[in-house]
Formats: sequence, structure tokens, C-alpha cells
Amino acid sequence: GAGVSQSPSNKVTEKGKDVELRCDPISGHTALYWYRQSLGQGLEFLIYFQGNSAPDKSGLPSDRFSAERTGGSVSTLTIQRTQQEDSAVYLCASSIRTGWWTDTQYFGPGTRLTVL
Amino acid sequence: EDQVTQSPEALRLQEGESSSLNCSYTVSGLRGLFWYRQDPGKGPEFLFTLYSAGEEKEKERLKATLTKKESFLHITAPKPEDSATYLCAVPGGGYQGAQKLVFGQGTRLTINP
Repeated sequence: GAGVSQSPSNKVTEKGKDVELRCDPISGHTALYWYRQSLGQGLEFLIYFQGNSAPDKSGLPSDRFSAERTGGSVSTLTIQRTQQEDSAVYLCASSIRTGWWTDTQYFGPGTRLTVL
Repeated sequence: EDQVTQSPEALRLQEGESSSLNCSYTVSGLRGLFWYRQDPGKGPEFLFTLYSAGEEKEKERLKATLTKKESFLHITAPKPEDSATYLCAVPGGGYQGAQKLVFGQGTRLTINP
């Protein structure tokens, strides 16, 4: 079946502009996650959705970052007033949540964001 | 603090030369350990989940094992197509943290023909 899809695959923007990144999870997966992978850094957690609600936003680095999920499916990560340090690969993952800890997370191909 | 440490950072092997990658973790109450493979420019690809000490899982030339403090990814007679970065991750500790994965820095594996 179809995996997690993300768009765009690449985004180049100018400092100070807003960007929106989209994630389409695997059909039937109720949990959705956003991570960021910077050059030379490991994957760092940003936010987690269960259905349309976000019980854990603890990884969002600043109030310029926000995310929403609608219809229990597609999610959008928005970065306002982008800064050069926001340049990274933004990865989305989804899972079937059966317990109170995470099940296997399946990742999309990522969106490479470059802020000039 | 939940922490995952992988070693070595990079490993270069000749085709057919077997070796092991290490992942050590500190987390309160382990609820699974995940191995992923990541190719350049792509998202992590799921390989294995291990849940309890002593558990082993195999897939082609890869075998993952788990103890109470670490996991090993054994690669037997590797081929050049096994070249990738291998990532290890655990769910964070506590109720709130258990929904997110804490990743190690990865081991960059290169298999020379």
C-alpha cells in the first residue's frame, strides 16, 4: 500500500518568509509525528498528533513553529518568519497506536528546507 | 534524561567482512527498541522492533539483538547495497514521552566492493 507522503520534496525560501510543509500519513494510522534532521544532527522530535489533537508539542523549537491536523489525516507544519537555522530536513511519520507508548513509526521521504 | 548512543560513528568494511553496530540506551522503562536504515536523501526505513532482553530478529544479512542496556545490529557477509546510515531509537520515558522516538546519531556504514 501507499506509504507516508510529504510535499514539497524541496523548498527554498528567503529569510523572513512563511512556509508550509504537508504530510499525508498511511491510511488508517491514527498517530502522526513530525521530526527534524539537521546536518550533522540526529532526528529530533517536534510534535505528535493523536487524531486531530496534539498531546505533545514539546519539541517545537519556538512559537514560530505550529502544526495542525485535519480529518485525522493530513497534517501541515507551518514555520513563520523563517530563519537560516530552520534549514533542515523535516520528516513526518505515522503509526497505528495500540498502546500508550509508540508503535512502529513509518517515515516519509522528508522535505528539505533551505532558508537563504 | 533519555539517551541513545550509537557506535561507531562510521564503519568501513570490505564486501563479505562481517561486523556489528552498537546501540546503548538509558531510558526509564524500555518499551521497544527500533532499528532503521536511512539512505542519503531519503527518510528512515524501518528494519526491526525488539521488545525484550534476549530477543533476536533477522532479515537477510542483518540480525538485531537486545540486552537490558544495549542492542547490536550484526551484519553478516555484507554487500555494497548494505551501505547506509543505521539508526537506533527508543520511545522516551514516562507517559508523555513514550509517544516520541529518541534517536541515536547513527552509524554510517560503507561496504567497499
